Amino acid sequence: SQELEQSPQSLIVQEGKNLTINCTSSKTLYGLYWYKQKYGEGLIFLMMLQKGGEEKSHEKITAKLDEKKQQSSLHITASQPSHAGIYLCGAEMAGSYQLTFGKGTKLSVIP
Amino acid sequence: NAGVTQTPKFQVLKTGQSMTLQCAQDMNHNSMYWYRQDPGMGLRLIYYSASEGTTDKGEVPNGYNVSRLNKREFSLRLESAAPSQTSVYFCASSFYWSGGAKEQFFGPGTRLTVL
Repeated sequence: SQELEQSPQSLIVQEGKNLTINCTSSKTLYGLYWYKQKYGEGLIFLMMLQKGGEEKSHEKITAKLDEKKQQSSLHITASQPSHAGIYLCGAEMAGSYQLTFGKGTKLSVIP
Repeated sequence: NAGVTQTPKFQVLKTGQSMTLQCAQDMNHNSMYWYRQDPGMGLRLIYYSASEGTTDKGEVPNGYNVSRLNKREFSLRLESAAPSQTSVYFCASSFYWSGGAKEQFFGPGTRLTVL
């Protein structure tokens, strides 16, 4: 089974709506990283979370880490077409210093 | 700073041909990585180099070799390309310390098609 599950796999929202993407680990998390990828391009680093309960924001994107649930959520407020892309979470998990990535969530924002 | 650069951006090979993907970073990072990204599979680690002079296998190393040429450069070689190696290849770098890896910075990718 996948060690890092992202949900939903894809999301279509109307511009201006809020949305949440989840990333759940099967192992203890030591660090959680969120990236955004536009089609045909590389991954852009968004945020890193390392402590349970930690919450970070950048512009209209907020990420939280729930250590007990071994889960992170990425919340976008008042979505815009510029938010469209694939969002990937990467995690440092127990037993490995390498990042394991989820399969990504494809976000489309309809004007 | 250019960050992480990769060459080439696109490549088409015939089955059995060989090629080397080049990667360089100018952030003075000690760790470098090669991933492949396939539809429905996400990013999978092929090889990584925690520091200059060391390389280790990742999740999907078969069919690939790597060379950490110096601190800046990390190349990926396909000795005999197969259609199953059609993918988008990403190089990444980070600062690795004993407490764990830090955020990885990615190159723009190489789109490889093997016919």
